[in-house]
Amino acid sequence: ETGVTQTPRHLVMGMTNKKSLKCEQHLGHNAMYWYKQSAKKPLELMFVYSLEERVENNSVPSRFSPECPNSSHLFLHLHTLQPEDSALYLCASSQTPGQGATGELFFGEGSRLTVL
Amino acid sequence: AQSVAQPEDQVNVAEGNPLTVKCTYSVSGNPYLFWYVQYPNRGLQFLLKYITGDNLVKGSYGFEAEFNKSQTSFHLKKPSALVSDSALYFCAVRDERGSTLGRLYFGRGTQLTVWP
Repeated sequence: ETGVTQTPRHLVMGMTNKKSLKCEQHLGHNAMYWYKQSAKKPLELMFVYSLEERVENNSVPSRFSPECPNSSHLFLHLHTLQPEDSALYLCASSQTPGQGATGELFFGEGSRLTVL
Repeated sequence: AQSVAQPEDQVNVAEGNPLTVKCTYSVSGNPYLFWYVQYPNRGLQFLLKYITGDNLVKGSYGFEAEFNKSQTSFHLKKPSALVSDSALYFCAVRDERGSTLGRLYFGRGTQLTVWP
C-alpha cells in the first residue's frame, strides 16, 4: 500500500456538478497539502494544513474548498468549476521539520480532473 | 526569497551515456535540497535529498546529486542513462531557517528523454 492514497484517480465533471477529491496518508505525518499541476505550468501550491489547521491558502478561488477532518485525511470539495480547472491535483504529506524530520513531501498518485 | 531554477526544459541523452539535469537555488540560510521524479499521469516520487554533510548524495535508481555551495547548484546526475529514466524531474528547496512547516519551493521541471 502506498503511503499517500488519492481517490478517484480520474474524474470527469460538468460545470454545475459537485464532487470531492479524497486523500489519505498512512505515514503518520502531521501536515498535508494540495497542489495543482496544469500542462506547461509550474506546480501550484493551493492549500496547506498543519495539525488539521489550514495554514496557507494561495489565493485559490472559492469554488475549491478544502477540508481536513484529521491528520490522516484531506478532501478537496469542488463546486461549479470552470474548464480551465482541468488539471492533475496532487496531494502530499510531510512531517513538520525538526526532531530529525527534514520536511520532504510524499505525494499521492494524483487525481486527473476534467471539467466539461 | 526562496526560489529554484531549472534552466533546461528538456534534456536528451542516448542510453548508456551519462546524464545531468541542472538546478540552481536561492535561499537566505542553509538550503535543504530535494529531487523528485514524475512519470506520466503519476505523482512525484522522492529521489534524494541534501541536508548537510557530504556534498555528493546518492538516491534511488542509481541517481546522485552534487551540492555546490559556491555555485548554489544541486545538479542531478547518473553515470549511465536508461530508457526507463525518461520522465519529468523536479528540483525543490527549502530554507533551513524557514517556517516550522518547511514549505518546499519547486522548479518548473525538466523533461528527460533517453534514446535507445
